[in-house]
Formats: sequence, C-alpha cells, structure tokens
Amino acid sequence: NAGVMQNPRHLVRRRGQEARLRCSPMKGHSHVYWYRQLPEEGLKFMVYLQKENIIDESGMPKERFSAEFPKEGPSILRIQQVVRGDSAAYFCASSPQTGPNSPLHFGNGTRLTVT
Amino acid sequence: DQQVKQNSPSLSVQEGRISILNCDYTNSMFDYFLWYKKYPAEGPTFLISISSIKDKNEDGRFTVFLNKSAKHLSLHIVPSQPGDSAVYFCAASGTSGSARQLTFGSGTQLTVLP
Repeated sequence: NAGVMQNPRHLVRRRGQEARLRCSPMKGHSHVYWYRQLPEEGLKFMVYLQKENIIDESGMPKERFSAEFPKEGPSILRIQQVVRGDSAAYFCASSPQTGPNSPLHFGNGTRLTVT
Repeated sequence: DQQVKQNSPSLSVQEGRISILNCDYTNSMFDYFLWYKKYPAEGPTFLISISSIKDKNEDGRFTVFLNKSAKHLSLHIVPSQPGDSAVYFCAASGTSGSARQLTFGSGTQLTVLP
C-alpha cells in the first residue's frame, strides 16, 4: 500500500548547486502538488501538475524553480543555483482527481539544507 | 498576508479531556476547510473536512465546527489520547483559482498528557 513517495528524504547542497526533488504519487493518482514549509510556518502552495501539464504555478518563485510531471516517471521539482533561503521541507501531495471530495495525500517530504 | 491563522502555537490537554483547536480565516472566497495532523519527520495526514454549506461535521472522536459569519472554525477531539499529540494544521480552499490550492495555517502543537 505505497503512499506518496518522495526522495531523497534529506538533501544537502552548497550555494549555487542544483537540487532535484522527486515525487511518485499514489497509484492511480494523476494530480500532483508541491508545497514548501519554512521553519515555524505552515505549508505554502507552489505548483499543481497533471501528467505532462502544469495547471497552476502561481506559488512558484519566478526564477530558479521549475517543476514537471512527465508521462512516465516521477514528478520533479528542480531548484537551480540554490541559496540559503531555499532551505525548507518540500512536500509533495497527490490526488486521484480535483475537487473538494478528494483530500490531498502527502508524502513525508524532502528536507533541503543549503550550506 | 496570512489568510488562515492559527493563533495558538501550542496547546496541552490532559488525556481523556477535550482538545479544542481554533482557526480563523479572512478570505470570504474560501468554501472548503480541512484539518491535517502532522507528526515530526512525516507529511501531513488528512483528518476531517467541512464544506461551507455545513456548520458541523463529525467523524469518530473528531468534530469540526464552522462559523461562517465569524470566519472561524474549530476542531474538537474528545476524548483526547496521547497518540493525538502532533501538530494540527487548518487549511482552506476556494473556488477561485486552482480548486486544489490549499492555504494552510501555521499549525498548533497539541500535547496530550497521560
């Protein structure tokens, strides 16, 4: 009964490097969402994707951040030229469909530390 | 600009008593509200939700109350158990923009004392 799988669980990057975070949604789920949690704060929406499509990226920083959900394989959140302020927990969630009767199922997150 | 606020960062309750967690929101476009529970080093787990057409939803020990005029919702847990100790997040979504863009509060750490 695999839930939403995220890897790696922990990722350490030096300033200027690239970070790649992966998310495999629950079986049968075609909607993927990325959220970021800064220390002492709630989760903040970043992007919502369906297979091969970005539906809503209104929460994504304009530069350095990108996301994809290809036809095959996991969803990827990519952060280029990381800075210390990118240090956070990044959570992926999935749902089988959109709409209020379909609560999001979250993975255990990737904790990114930028040194 | 916090549209969903949880003003109590922490709450301690004795085992067997009622836990009441509160949440306020400012955006009148929100029409669906959820509570998530989060243990350390894990992702949030969905607990219970309520649509704006209702004022109460109950699921076992968990009840969520919604007061639309006050833009306030609360989660009641009764009786509280030590395993309920976790961070509880209130979240809201609306019909504008992405239907699944949840706005989260900052969370309340609940500690249930044995």
